[in-house]
Amino acid sequence: AQRVTQPEKLLSVFKGAPVELKCNYSYSGSPELFWYVQYSRQRLQLLLRHISRESIKGFTADLNKGETSFHLKKPFAQEEDSAMYYCAFSGNTPLVFGKGTRLSVIA
Amino acid sequence: SQTIHQWPATLVQPVGSPLSLECTVEGTSNPNLYWYRQAAGRGLQLLFYSVGIGQISSEVPQNLSASRPQDRQFILSSKKLLLSDSGFYLCAWTAGSGNTIYFGEGSWLTVV
Repeated sequence: AQRVTQPEKLLSVFKGAPVELKCNYSYSGSPELFWYVQYSRQRLQLLLRHISRESIKGFTADLNKGETSFHLKKPFAQEEDSAMYYCAFSGNTPLVFGKGTRLSVIA
Repeated sequence: SQTIHQWPATLVQPVGSPLSLECTVEGTSNPNLYWYRQAAGRGLQLLFYSVGIGQISSEVPQNLSASRPQDRQFILSSKKLLLSDSGFYLCAWTAGSGNTIYFGEGSWLTVV
């Protein structure tokens, strides 16, 4: 079965510290992976997708097929990064989302 | 540009009453349409998706149904709401499988 796992419900880091939000997927083919973010009182929106290989707001994510992971990273967390982050996966079914990780950046 | 709207934004309904949440997409044709529910601790759960008018796929059997009477209109319904139907419902669209998904503003449903 196709599945996305985000093991951490809540991640708290200090401002300026590195951030890594974990995401693992379960799929035997070639997946397409995304990170979505929901800031307070805003709609869910795309942060980045693995095929574009771009850095958005300082965040990057590398697809590791060997480890079936797509962890989201940022070297220096900022307070405005506090939000709910969802890893999402598209195989041969509609987009499947993980349960989300709430990132809290402490000043 | 493409836009997606859903309404109402908030709804308080008694148990046993009907439900109708509506979603429309503008600026594109033949989108794939989705209804998700976002519940605390359970993430985003796909409820229904549609690849065309009258074509509905149900991902989770429950007290809800969906319909697509027009190309850019997607409706989430229930004949009799349960307390467990409370949650935050999100409509979304894509231009095709694997493409970026765009979400509506969401609808808060509280069943009392």
